[in-house]
Amino acid sequence: EAQVTQNPRYLITVTGKKLTVTCSQNMNHEYMSWYRQDPGLGLRQIYYSMNVEVTDKGDVPEGYKVSRKEKRNFPLILESPSPNQTSLYFCASSPSGASYNEQFFGPGTRLTVL
Amino acid sequence: AQSVTQPDIHITVSEGASLELRCNYSYGATPYLFWYVQSPGQGLQLLLKYFSGDTLVQGIKGFEAEFKRSQSSFNLRKPSVHWSDAAEYFCAVEPDTGNQFYFGTGTSLTVIP
Repeated sequence: EAQVTQNPRYLITVTGKKLTVTCSQNMNHEYMSWYRQDPGLGLRQIYYSMNVEVTDKGDVPEGYKVSRKEKRNFPLILESPSPNQTSLYFCASSPSGASYNEQFFGPGTRLTVL
Repeated sequence: AQSVTQPDIHITVSEGASLELRCNYSYGATPYLFWYVQSPGQGLQLLLKYFSGDTLVQGIKGFEAEFKRSQSSFNLRKPSVHWSDAAEYFCAVEPDTGNQFYFGTGTSLTVIP
């Protein structure tokens, strides 16, 4: 089944404890992206990647890192999480970097930072 | 500032009634425009998209949207709402500046029997 998977789906952690949220897609998509969803703010793009080893900042990159060493994986790294990073995170992918392609979204990761 | 505006935070409609969800954007030129739907506890699913050509676009689940350049709007419509349409709807814009996407704040739709 074609899909975007994220792990973990739920995570509660404490301030300053490094964490990684994994994202993997099995559709051979070139474009991948991370978003955070907050009440009243909609989705905001954190980082995106047009292809392997190519990443760019989105609207809210501060406090996050990403890497794209393989086409299928695009992990989101929080080196020192803070409570303001408590949010619902979505990973998405699309066939190519061209804007007209549909983005396929993962099921989301709900992160709580205490 | 550049933005995507969905002025209605929450809308309630009766099943069978028509629906229109508003979306305005402030990016220049003609951006790529999208509507996504998010069912409770789920990720987002694309309803429809506009890039060029006919300004009335058809999507899945009986939805359509009309691009109006003069009004910088891309409103979503459905002639007859079903209870299963209850969800959150997001308008999104890619300003043709390099694959960065901007979403509106969403409109939550409640459908009453």
